[in-house]
Amino acid sequence: DGGITQSPKYLFRKEGQNVTLSCEQNLNHDAMYWYRQDPGQGLRLIYYSQIVNDFQKGDIAEGYSVSREKKESFPLTVTSAQKNPTAFYLCASSIPSGRVSYNEQFFGPGTRLTVL
Amino acid sequence: QKEVEQNSGPLSVPEGAIASLNCTYSDRGSQSFFWYRQYSGKSPELIMSIYSNGDKEDGRFTAQLNKASQYVSLLIRDSQPSDSATYLCAVNIGAGGTSYGKLTFGQGTILTVHP
Repeated sequence: DGGITQSPKYLFRKEGQNVTLSCEQNLNHDAMYWYRQDPGQGLRLIYYSQIVNDFQKGDIAEGYSVSREKKESFPLTVTSAQKNPTAFYLCASSIPSGRVSYNEQFFGPGTRLTVL
Repeated sequence: QKEVEQNSGPLSVPEGAIASLNCTYSDRGSQSFFWYRQYSGKSPELIMSIYSNGDKEDGRFTAQLNKASQYVSLLIRDSQPSDSATYLCAVNIGAGGTSYGKLTFGQGTILTVHP
């Protein structure tokens, strides 16, 4: 079965701790994305990567870090510098299609992070 | 002005009716437009993509795009209780490579279909 997996489903963090959220895809997609969703709001882009070993900041990158060492994997670390990390984190992937980006993005099941 | 704005909800329609969801966007250079459905506690699911002016139909869903008016809509015919969800409009803001790969989402519209 092809798809996007995220783990863990629920994560609890104490203040001052760094945590890493996993995102893996076996769809052979080039591009991967991390979004954050707060209650009653749309999605906000944290980081995205179009190819291995390259990534760009999104709209709310402060307090987060990523790596893209393999095409299949795009882990997100929520650092202690992120002041309000409690949210629903969503990973997505897509195949860029040339100059005009149709960019259909498909989402994993998400990770709910709660800071205690 | 928000880059992508959806009609404020929540929207409530009776079973069998047509539900109409609307979205406006600020950047005239935007190339591609998407509708996602998100059930409570779940991740968004892509239900429609549209790239050209006009209508695109898929089953009970019709997406409508008017680039001159910077407006995209989603119509759900014969609405069912299972259509009750939050609908997110997403736009690939900007033309071509300038914002390649980035989608901007609206805040979502909650739809309730009551029997």
